[in-house]
Amino acid sequence: QSALTQPRSVSGSPGQSVTISCTGTSSDVGRYNYVSWYQHHPGKAPRLMIYDLTERPSGVPDRFSGSKSGNTASLTISGLQAEDEADYYCCSYVSQYTGVAFGGGTKLTVL
Amino acid sequence: EMQLVETGGGLIQPGGSLRLSCAASGFSVSTNYMTWVRQAPGKGLQWVSFLYSGGATYYADSVKGRFTISRDDSKNILYLQMNNLRVEDTALYFCAREQPSAYFDYWGQGALVTVSA
Repeated sequence: QSALTQPRSVSGSPGQSVTISCTGTSSDVGRYNYVSWYQHHPGKAPRLMIYDLTERPSGVPDRFSGSKSGNTASLTISGLQAEDEADYYCCSYVSQYTGVAFGGGTKLTVL
Repeated sequence: EMQLVETGGGLIQPGGSLRLSCAASGFSVSTNYMTWVRQAPGKGLQWVSFLYSGGATYYADSVKGRFTISRDDSKNILYLQMNNLRVEDTALYFCAREQPSAYFDYWGQGALVTVSA
């Protein structure tokens, strides 16, 4: 069982927006803004999409955005495109000794 | 170009040992935080181990005492020595560079470890 809870799947049509939630606790997501999101196409290296809760690395479209409310972080993808179809994982810092916690992953389907 | 390439995966019997390597290019493993993350079949990502640039190491409880993370600065390679392997260690193992605020900006494509009799 993953430490952070994500929906198993979400879907949307091209051009629409989708939001993927990531629920933790007051000891991880709720305590720190050290939340990151990764896009993963099976067989490829995971790709960093959001770090420090809201920051986008160079090269990531501004269609991707991150936010948080309480113990739940969210990744919003607006203007869905076919190439956005992938698995998405959230990640939160927990502690120096226990490292980070990942979510179980969400499969995004672009209809 | 920054790149990470894992090697050393394979099929191993329970109780056996395996060493994964992660060759880095474009940056030095010695001056960066480095991490191993795994993905069991059909499951999500799981943090396995972490090596600070200063040399401190940390492990997930599930691998503590069995796995050892290390690096060879002269070869710019990160290692994961896995001993007393269990069936539940079967996974795709990724190495990644970790930034101080606990995000991973570069990943390898993974090395598959299958533990089975």
